[in-house]
Amino acid sequence: EAGVTQSPTHLIKTRGQQATLRCSPISGHTSVYWYQQALGLGLQFLLWYDEGEERNRGNFPPRFSGRQFPNYSSELNVNALELEDSALYLCASRGGTGNQPQHFGDGTRLSIL
Amino acid sequence: SQQGEEDPQALSIQEGENATMNCSYKTSINNLQWYRQNSGRGLVHLILIRSNEREKHSGRLRVTLDTSKKSSSLLITASRAADTASYFCATGRNQAGTALIFGKGTTLSVSS
Repeated sequence: EAGVTQSPTHLIKTRGQQATLRCSPISGHTSVYWYQQALGLGLQFLLWYDEGEERNRGNFPPRFSGRQFPNYSSELNVNALELEDSALYLCASRGGTGNQPQHFGDGTRLSIL
Repeated sequence: SQQGEEDPQALSIQEGENATMNCSYKTSINNLQWYRQNSGRGLVHLILIRSNEREKHSGRLRVTLDTSKKSSSLLITASRAADTASYFCATGRNQAGTALIFGKGTTLSVSS
């Protein structure tokens, strides 16, 4: 069974640009979560999608947005990039109920110059 | 915001020794999960323990949960150099599957 896949592995942008990160969940999983892991800040929840709908978002500004496609893959978009957006962005997918584990991809390392 | 705290923040042991990491959390939970992260990579799921469970085993891993104290522990027995990684606990608040809230992690170094 293929795991969660994320692309690209690395992304280098400059301030003010826009970034798009992609995630393919494990087959059969309908829920996709995005987390940010920035140095010194730990793992912070960004967005949760399920069945194509945004279910919840963390304490991040609106320039962080995303969507989930009919095949349950997902995109995270970050507009007007700032230096502090440099981080590892992790996608996770989950099947079944909330008592099932979330399975993570290897992440996209976003670097803002 | 972090739900809980892992303790210790860093742990260095020799191969063959046991490693114990603790996690405390603040609010009621539906489940608690432990993850491992090798440097700069994604998280690997280790164990999920439900709020009505007290102990769970998986290979060399043993997890306990004390909901009255809002705490959990992860024991790795007979550690190997390959166990060197950061370990995080994460709490799931409800059955609906809202986001996990992670602690800051314990960095484990196992030397041969």
